[in-house]
Amino acid sequence: NAGVTQTPKFRILKIGQSMTLQCTQDMNHNYMYWYRQDPGMGLKLIYYSVGAGITDKGEVPNGYNVSRSTTEDFPLRLELAAPSQTSVYFCASSYFVAGGGNEQFFGPGTRLTVL
Amino acid sequence: TQLLEQSPQFLSIQEGENLTVYCNSSSVFSSLQWYRQEPGEGPVLLVTVVTGGEVKKLKRLTFQFGDARKDSSLHITAAQPGDTGLYLCAGASGTYKYIFGTGTRLKVLA
Repeated sequence: NAGVTQTPKFRILKIGQSMTLQCTQDMNHNYMYWYRQDPGMGLKLIYYSVGAGITDKGEVPNGYNVSRSTTEDFPLRLELAAPSQTSVYFCASSYFVAGGGNEQFFGPGTRLTVL
Repeated sequence: TQLLEQSPQFLSIQEGENLTVYCNSSSVFSSLQWYRQEPGEGPVLLVTVVTGGEVKKLKRLTFQFGDARKDSSLHITAAQPGDTGLYLCAGASGTYKYIFGTGTRLKVLA
């Protein structure tokens, strides 16, 4: 049981390049999330999904796109990389808990630098 | 826009001391979570509080949810170097979406 896996671990992009951050979970969770974390700060929600085929914007979606074709996979696409997108990106998944309090399970993160 | 402010932002204490971290908002949350994050890793859930006024204990850690469900606190008794990390609160915004706080970075010196 690998939990949430993310690839790559590190990446350096040039301004204007594009890339896809991969995220896979093997816990059969319906809910999946993408966050970014700037140095020493909390997490900001980029996009989330409540099931295959359903995605929605979070707090900071500009410059990113997502898709959810399967329960397991939730890739994040950067189309035109900008220095402001330099950050650590975390993928997470969770399941519904009656009464509230879905526990989110996080991947190890992808550290992205845009130069 | 829902915001969660944590204080203090940084805390450096000696082993054995007690400390309290606060998480405050002007918004009401249906539940609130506390996570701890170590360098190079993703956050790991410590606790979820759901009911206003609820208190939960996890060994030396005590978590409290405010009566109005707008704030929470984390108290650590007799801190140890293993408690070092970034502590994050997260409030439920709807059924499955969470807003994270600004974080408190704790360093416990041996």
